[in-house]
Amino acid sequence: GENVEQHPSTLSVQEGDSAVIKCTYSDSASNYFPWYKQELGKRPQLIIDIRSNVGEKKDQRIAVTLNKTAKHFSLHITETQPEDSAVYFCAASNAGNMLTFGGGTRLMVKP
Amino acid sequence: NAGVTQTPKFQVLKTGQSMTLQCAQDMNHEYMSWYRQDPGMGLRLIHYSVGAGITDQGEVPNGYNVSRSTTEDFPLRLLSAAPSQTSVYFCASSYGGTSTEAFFGQGTRLTVV
Repeated sequence: GENVEQHPSTLSVQEGDSAVIKCTYSDSASNYFPWYKQELGKRPQLIIDIRSNVGEKKDQRIAVTLNKTAKHFSLHITETQPEDSAVYFCAASNAGNMLTFGGGTRLMVKP
Repeated sequence: NAGVTQTPKFQVLKTGQSMTLQCAQDMNHEYMSWYRQDPGMGLRLIHYSVGAGITDQGEVPNGYNVSRSTTEDFPLRLLSAAPSQTSVYFCASSYGGTSTEAFFGQGTRLTVV
């Protein structure tokens, strides 16, 4: 089955700095890579996703890149703000299968 | 649209008791799934369904049963609760097919004593 590794497990940045979270996956058949944000005590919510036919996708301060050859994808948050503090999860799936999640990254943005 | 609704939000069970976690969605999604989230860990797939009458096991299915008699509902049954099943449980649904967004319920925090 699919295996997703996520690093780092904890990330602390100063407000205004950039944050980068990296994930690797094992199944070359995976073709969908979403990123979820989970605030304390809340449900995970999708913030951005990318499909395997695209190398990069951007939405305002958030961007995701995908390298299919190396089987890794990354989340980039620019100009971080205190409200970006949360746990972020990457995931991978292919058509017909459910999501396999990484272990999560706790992002702390210091004012 | 209520989205994905889970009940109860909190539950305490004694070891050996059984219970059912309810999950309902009103978005006419074909795919539904159950995950558990343990402290400091990601979400692990317990069981999933790709349509009414079809279920399959995920990564950690032992100790849990599911059924899918309707498109809307996907209950998760704990047969004989154990302390190792103390966790937060999330139900999710999606349209299915080629990779679409999963919508999560608000979660059920279960403690087994």
